Amino acid sequence: QVQLVQSGAEVKKPGASVKVSCKASGYTFTSYDINWVRQATGQGLEWMGWMNPNSGNTGYAQKFQGRVTMTRNTSISTAYMELSSLRSEDTAVYYCARGHVYCTGGVCYEGAFDIWGQGTMVTVSS
Amino acid sequence: EIVMTQSPATLSVSPGERATLSCRASQSVSSNLAWYQQKPGQAPRLLIYGASTRATGIPARFSGSGSGTEFTLTISSLQSEDFAVYYCQQYNNWLTWTFGQGTKVEIK
Repeated sequence: QVQLVQSGAEVKKPGASVKVSCKASGYTFTSYDINWVRQATGQGLEWMGWMNPNSGNTGYAQKFQGRVTMTRNTSISTAYMELSSLRSEDTAVYYCARGHVYCTGGVCYEGAFDIWGQGTMVTVSS
Repeated sequence: EIVMTQSPATLSVSPGERATLSCRASQSVSSNLAWYQQKPGQAPRLLIYGASTRATGIPARFSGSGSGTEFTLTISSLQSEDFAVYYCQQYNNWLTWTFGQGTKVEIK
């Protein structure tokens, strides 16, 4: 079945970096964009950025510009999100999510997320 | 940045009753709006996209409506498995996507 499987929980110290992986299966990895969304405990959802796995093109939310890097390895259908200069406020569950594309009236749209990974808890603590 | 505001923050509903959730955008997002359901300890699940189209496998009791700045998610007859947090998300402007803060639907 179509799924995204993420790497396990991480504990990092302030100032460090974390790299989370997201392995796709059940579909052609390069045919759908991958997004990253995070959620602090008891809080809402926050979109971080987007990557086209075919081209490697990326786009990041302004809040994370300069601190986040999204990459991929197409040979193993895996996307990565690296966040640097970690601070306590970065403690959250990080999700990868597949971009949903639909077409209506001859126009195609993308922006919703139809398949989600199970989430990776990242804890930043000294 | 487009700000999405959901109301109410918490909705208390009895099983079998109708639930109506609202989502307002700070500027027009046309019909570029999605709804998600999230249960504790789980990832969100896509319910509605394009403001009113149900995603694959979503029961007909879920319906979405609205366009521009005002949107509604209606659950026609709440089932036990529908008690969860619901989020709206706009995707009108490329790569500036934002979510609402969520509405928790709880058992009355």
